[in-house]
Amino acid sequence: DTAVSQTPKYLVTQMGNDKSIKCEQNLGHDTMYWYKQDSKKFLKIMFSYNNKELIINETVPNRFSPKSPDKAHLNLHINSLELGDSAVYFCASSGLRYTEAFFGQGTRLTVV
Amino acid sequence: DAKTTQPTSMDCAEGRAANLPCNHSTISGNEYVYWYRQIHSQGPQYIIHGLKNNETNEMASLIITEDRKSSTLILPHATLRDTAVYYCIVMEYGNKLVFGAGTILRVKS
Repeated sequence: DTAVSQTPKYLVTQMGNDKSIKCEQNLGHDTMYWYKQDSKKFLKIMFSYNNKELIINETVPNRFSPKSPDKAHLNLHINSLELGDSAVYFCASSGLRYTEAFFGQGTRLTVV
Repeated sequence: DAKTTQPTSMDCAEGRAANLPCNHSTISGNEYVYWYRQIHSQGPQYIIHGLKNNETNEMASLIITEDRKSSTLILPHATLRDTAVYYCIVMEYGNKLVFGAGTILRVKS
């Protein structure tokens, strides 16, 4: 079983559209994250949720809205997509503080 | 911002030990050192972490200096599949992993 799974793996869409990326973890972790990796390969944290509560929001445009229906899921909804949103988005989860994080395989978003 | 400094890239011969250094001179007493790697196009993978003692697991060893200002990740017998970007991370408050540029390790046959 995949520990952290993201869907879709690839997403190509036009500017101005709204899209969602789903993430699910079956590890029983309390904390989930979204990271963005741009074309320069830097991984930057976007959001962190703990038990469905937002605890980190790294000055991400409000077009990005994470939603956590339960602690096993953290979805990322993006409104009015822009060219600069093209990147690979990684979901991750971790347990108690100082335990390792597990990452999904990423969603490659291309905005045309 | 990342609190670590790593070389941009390193080469290692297959079968040899790969020693990846990391400087974290501003580490605080309750911060751990974590190592992750990212193999091309995949999600980052946890390798090992430590506080002040040396650590070993099935993947690697982590050597932390006594003053905790630097550490070395050791892959004892590097294989071609170990070619990846290796990230040394000091864990900040609240489980926030901050990735720097990492070290590109190229294992060559």
